[in-house]
Amino acid sequence: GAVVSQHPSWVICKSGTSVKIECRSLDFQATTMFWYRQFPKQSLMLMATSNEGSKATYEQGVEKDKFLINHASLTLSTLTVTSAHPEDSSFYICSARARLAGGYNEQFFGPGTRLTVL
Amino acid sequence: QKEVEQNSGPLSVPEGAIASLNCTYSDRGSQSFFWYRQYSGKSPELIMSIYSNGDKEDGRFTAQLNKASQYVSLLIRDSQPSDSATYLCAVINQAGTALIFGKGTTLSVSS
Repeated sequence: GAVVSQHPSWVICKSGTSVKIECRSLDFQATTMFWYRQFPKQSLMLMATSNEGSKATYEQGVEKDKFLINHASLTLSTLTVTSAHPEDSSFYICSARARLAGGYNEQFFGPGTRLTVL
Repeated sequence: QKEVEQNSGPLSVPEGAIASLNCTYSDRGSQSFFWYRQYSGKSPELIMSIYSNGDKEDGRFTAQLNKASQYVSLLIRDSQPSDSATYLCAVINQAGTALIFGKGTTLSVSS
């Protein structure tokens, strides 16, 4: 099946620093990747949609200057949380869209990155 | 109106019973529907996808879709304690570009 990896799995940083999270599709090419955030006991909230070679599309309420997304290749997207603050502490999950036989698209998720900002 | 709605639960069933999870969605034009399972502290794992009305079976799991009623369900037969997790219903958004998730239903299977 389609495998998506994320790195790092968890990170602790000081307030004001920037953190980069990588998302890779290991055995397929993903023209579209997605970044989600999940706070405890809440559902996944879509932050942005990332298309290879173009600017990301951010959901309403998500600051594009704070959450920088780069989708430089068909297998790699990165999310950089700039000037992180404690309220940015969350579980960040990426997913990649795979096109299956029959023309249907399915999304496969990475294992997530737990960010804690002190 | 929320786009995807689920009963948050918890839904408690004994081992070996059938667990029934329900989901409604607001966009009548939606064409693709998914059920994900999420264990605590882990990312979602795709269980089932369904695209046309009726039932789709895969092992102990059966997804049911009724587009007229804008309703999709997941049945888990012979429930096991390892099935205890949060089950997320997801629908492709209007633009066809991203998944929209419900808040999830927490299932607890007791042995």
